[in-house]
Amino acid sequence: ETGVTQSPTHLIKTRGQQVTLRCSSQSGHNTVSWYQQALGQGPQFIFQYYREEENGRGNFPPRFSGLQFPNYSSELNVNALELDDSALYLCASSLQGRNTEAFFGQGTRLTVV
Amino acid sequence: EDKVVQSPLSLVVHEGDTVTLNCSYEVTNFRSLLWYKQEKKAPTFLFMLTSSGIEKKSGRLSSILDKKELFSILNITATQTGDSAVYLCAVESSSNYQLIWGAGTKLIIKP
Repeated sequence: ETGVTQSPTHLIKTRGQQVTLRCSSQSGHNTVSWYQQALGQGPQFIFQYYREEENGRGNFPPRFSGLQFPNYSSELNVNALELDDSALYLCASSLQGRNTEAFFGQGTRLTVV
Repeated sequence: EDKVVQSPLSLVVHEGDTVTLNCSYEVTNFRSLLWYKQEKKAPTFLFMLTSSGIEKKSGRLSSILDKKELFSILNITATQTGDSAVYLCAVESSSNYQLIWGAGTKLIIKP
């Protein structure tokens, strides 16, 4: 098991609501990346945070936002939830530029009804 | 647009068989190609490939990259039921270190 913890593990929300997902990074890591993985698909890059600043973003609308804290833990916020937001949300912590040493959390399964 | 395509999407074989999983890519500013195994939720790292023709090996798993033809293969010999998983291929871009993922190959090993 990695030192990356995500919470909650499962979540059910209603369309239009807002959700916050959390990720604690591996000790010593300063970068957190967030991914959305729909059923039967590969992960899609949402964004990455490096030293509390957004450091790259995928093709996701602005209602997907994030934060990174001084201890390098991170949050993913999604506003105005849509049914298509139902997915597994993965976070990965690493040192900047070292994807091979990225550790993934177990993910948060979000269901929007 | 950058893309990574894996094939087959799913594969069912019997224990002891050898399997070959494919990953082709079109990514500008290629830096590396990575293979992951996803059993339940968290993908776990298998290999990183940066140079053509150099095989990476770990036990019964091996992988190789062809940067001219833009593909990689992952071989698993003498498969076991514990190899059942989704195998993901991801390409790292050197412009921003982001990973572009394929859809994965779901491998099922029957006893």
